[in-house]
Amino acid sequence: GQNIDQPTEMTATEGAIVQINCTYQTSGFNGLFWYQQHAGEAPTFLSYNVLDGLEEKGRFSSFLSRSKGYSYLLLKELQMKDSASYLCAVVDSNYQLIWGAGTKLIIKP
Amino acid sequence: GAVVSQHPSRVICKSGTSVKIECRSLDFQATTMFWYRQFPKKSLMLMATSNEGSKATYEQGVEKDKFLINHASLTLSTLTVTSAHPEDSSFYICSARGDIQPPDVAQYFGPGTRLLVL
Repeated sequence: GQNIDQPTEMTATEGAIVQINCTYQTSGFNGLFWYQQHAGEAPTFLSYNVLDGLEEKGRFSSFLSRSKGYSYLLLKELQMKDSASYLCAVVDSNYQLIWGAGTKLIIKP
Repeated sequence: GAVVSQHPSRVICKSGTSVKIECRSLDFQATTMFWYRQFPKKSLMLMATSNEGSKATYEQGVEKDKFLINHASLTLSTLTVTSAHPEDSSFYICSARGDIQPPDVAQYFGPGTRLLVL
């Protein structure tokens, strides 16, 4: 079966750094997405990794290791507005998105 | 680029009525559109995948006669919830995928429609 695992909830302090992990087991792999979803809103695209390594985009970075079936999203200089759910999703061999359940990130002052 | 709109954003209806939700890709052609529903504090659940000009592919457990999907053009897909009941109350989100820019496998989401059935 196909499976995406990520922590249910994490708490971090404003100004700090947090790493949200995602492990996956899917039938084929054509890339991994991270989306951000604020409560009551639709997801918004953050990053896409298809090759191993780290992709940096401002305060957010995403890492992928295909051999380990592992990715993480790194958020630096946390701001209160970063409080949201972060969804990991893998593109399988049929180019379908397999979604994780999301990690709720709570930022405290 | 990659803007997806959804209408209406919020709808309240009586039990037994039908509700139509529109999803439009505004600045690209969406070869594939997806319909999701999401219950409070739960993950996205894919309901169906639709390709322009063909019948939608429904996920297991989703009633195709209850959730009618039409993808009549490369920029518009509609979801009609027929004979809605209170248990259909949910947040419905569409997304679109097209050959717009790398990565072309990305899905871009509409803002969602919150449906409340009384």
